[in-house]
Amino acid sequence: GQQVMQIPQYQHVQEGEDFTTYCNSSTTLSNIQWYKQRPGGHPVFLIQLVKSGEVKKQKRLTFQFGEAKKNSSLHITATQTTDVGTYFCAGERGSTLGRLYFGRGTQLTVWP
Amino acid sequence: DTGVSQNPRHKITKRGQNVTFRCDPISEHNRLYWYRQTLGQGPEFLTYFQNEAQLEKSRLLSDRFSAERPKGSFSTLEIQRTEQGDSAMYLCASSPLDRGTYEQYFGPGTRLTVT
Repeated sequence: GQQVMQIPQYQHVQEGEDFTTYCNSSTTLSNIQWYKQRPGGHPVFLIQLVKSGEVKKQKRLTFQFGEAKKNSSLHITATQTTDVGTYFCAGERGSTLGRLYFGRGTQLTVWP
Repeated sequence: DTGVSQNPRHKITKRGQNVTFRCDPISEHNRLYWYRQTLGQGPEFLTYFQNEAQLEKSRLLSDRFSAERPKGSFSTLEIQRTEQGDSAMYLCASSPLDRGTYEQYFGPGTRLTVT
């Protein structure tokens, strides 16, 4: 079954609006990674979070890892048309290091 | 281009035929992964190698699927007696072992269509 749940599945925003996608795991994760996949492209690594409660920022993107290391979020401030794509979270479990469990992804559309 | 490469990029085959895909990882990367992705889904783990050793294989993978990485460099994924349900994008990724993060670098994928 699905190891990592991600919501929403789709999000349509006006350029300049904020966007958030949420990721939840049924089990504790050793770390979580985020990837972006542009239409017709392949997943591209964005960031990895390892520590409980960790927050990392990349320009307009803010990533959080929950205290229990079971959930994570990605927030984009003031979206731009270049943010279009599908954002995936992918968790790694301590018992199966090396194996990533991907969420279903959130497909972001940004209207100019 | 020093990224991950995959060949072929597209493959159309008839049900029951065997197919083989190749992945060339980034040269200094020890780990190599195979995933399958269908429309509207995230990549689904199939198997991964550390150098030439196959460390894990998904239980979802039937006996018709086999992967090799004989010299710890390129890898091949073979699907025997293909079925229509095998139609998907097959992604390969690689990562270095000796760094604090295990970010995976994905190739462009091989799109398989089984008719």
